[in-house]
Amino acid sequence: EAQVTQNPRYLITVTGKKLTVTCSQNMNHEYMSWYRQDPGLGLRQIYYSMNVEVTDKGDVPEGYKVSRKEKRNFPLILESPSPNQTSLYFCASSKSRRQETQYFGPGTRLLVL
Amino acid sequence: AQSVSQHNHHVILSEAASLELGCNYSYGGTVNLFWYVQYPGQHLQLLLKYFSGDPLVKGIKGFEAEFIKSKFSFNLRKPSVQWSDTAEYFCAVTSIYNQGGKLIFGQGTELSVKP
Repeated sequence: EAQVTQNPRYLITVTGKKLTVTCSQNMNHEYMSWYRQDPGLGLRQIYYSMNVEVTDKGDVPEGYKVSRKEKRNFPLILESPSPNQTSLYFCASSKSRRQETQYFGPGTRLLVL
Repeated sequence: AQSVSQHNHHVILSEAASLELGCNYSYGGTVNLFWYVQYPGQHLQLLLKYFSGDPLVKGIKGFEAEFIKSKFSFNLRKPSVQWSDTAEYFCAVTSIYNQGGKLIFGQGTELSVKP
């Protein structure tokens, strides 16, 4: 089944404790991105990647890092989480950068205390 | 910068009522338009999309949307809603000029359908 998976689905952590949210897709998509969803703000892009070893900042990259060492995986790293990073995070992928339909993962709900 | 505006934050309807959710975007060039739906506790799913051609687009579950270029609008419609349509609906836009194919989302409209 074609899908985007994320782990963990729920995470409670404390300020400053490094964490990684994994994202994987099995559709051989070139383009992957991370969004955060906050009430009243919709979804905002954090980082995106157009292919292996090619990543760039989205609208709200502060406090986040990403890497794209393999085509299928695009982990999101919070080196020193803070309470304002409490949010719902979605990973998405699409065939290419040419504005094709993006497919979303199930989401990761993060609470930073 | 491009932006997407959804007119209603929360809409409450009774079953069988007709639905129209407004969406306007700010960019004047060639755009691709999407409506996504997020059922409670679930991820975003594509309802329908417009890339080119017939401006009246039909999607899943009886939804349709009309692209009106002169009004920069892409409103979502359904003639008769069901309780199972209770969800949050997001309009999104992207274009070839968007940095890295970024989807720009509206704020979302929460739809509650009363049985």
